Amino acid sequence: SAVISQKPSRDICQRGTSLTIQCQVDSQVTMMFWYRQQPGQSLTLIATANQGSEATYESGFVIDKFPISRPNLTFSTLTVSNMSPEDSSIYLCSVRQGVVGELFFGEGSRLTVL
Amino acid sequence: EDQVTQSPEALRLQEGESSSLNCSYTVSGLRGLFWYRQDPGKGPEFLFTLYSAGEEKEKERLKATLTKKESFLHITAPKPEDSATYLCAVQGDYGQNFVFGPGTRLSVLP
Repeated sequence: SAVISQKPSRDICQRGTSLTIQCQVDSQVTMMFWYRQQPGQSLTLIATANQGSEATYESGFVIDKFPISRPNLTFSTLTVSNMSPEDSSIYLCSVRQGVVGELFFGEGSRLTVL
Repeated sequence: EDQVTQSPEALRLQEGESSSLNCSYTVSGLRGLFWYRQDPGKGPEFLFTLYSAGEEKEKERLKATLTKKESFLHITAPKPEDSATYLCAVQGDYGQNFVFGPGTRLSVLP
């Protein structure tokens, strides 16, 4: 399985600011995803990060709020823009080789918005 | 729409007390059912993939089974270090994305 590193592991931010989360994988992967896990909840898919093209967003998530970059097959970023306390969550990067098969996750980035 | 439910929501066991966690799913054609373990403050850790009814997978004290409607994660003689949230997810034929259940929070007391 791939080793997935996320930075920052946690941060405390002020309302109205933006934060970029980085995800680095130790091998080239086909599929990269960003998930959100709100306190006490399960995982919700934000978007699929597509290499060399725009991300594909799930219902309820928009590019202006969660811009994503994926410049190559081992790296992606997720920005949480104009943050509010409702954005306080754990944000998780995950990867999969191919269209089917198990997902592997990073350790997550715990974001608290005051 | 693909759906996953898990029961119980929380489970407390004494060390050595075996039990089972349930994952019920509705999916239009099952590509795979996946079990994960998640410790507090960490990302989910992959445990098992099951592809078809009747399939079973084992790892240490854990055994996962699959029917056409549900999956069970059996925990035999659990230890306190098995305490975690266990998540179930499915991937259906008509989508590449996973649908996760709400999880079962397991506590094993010494």
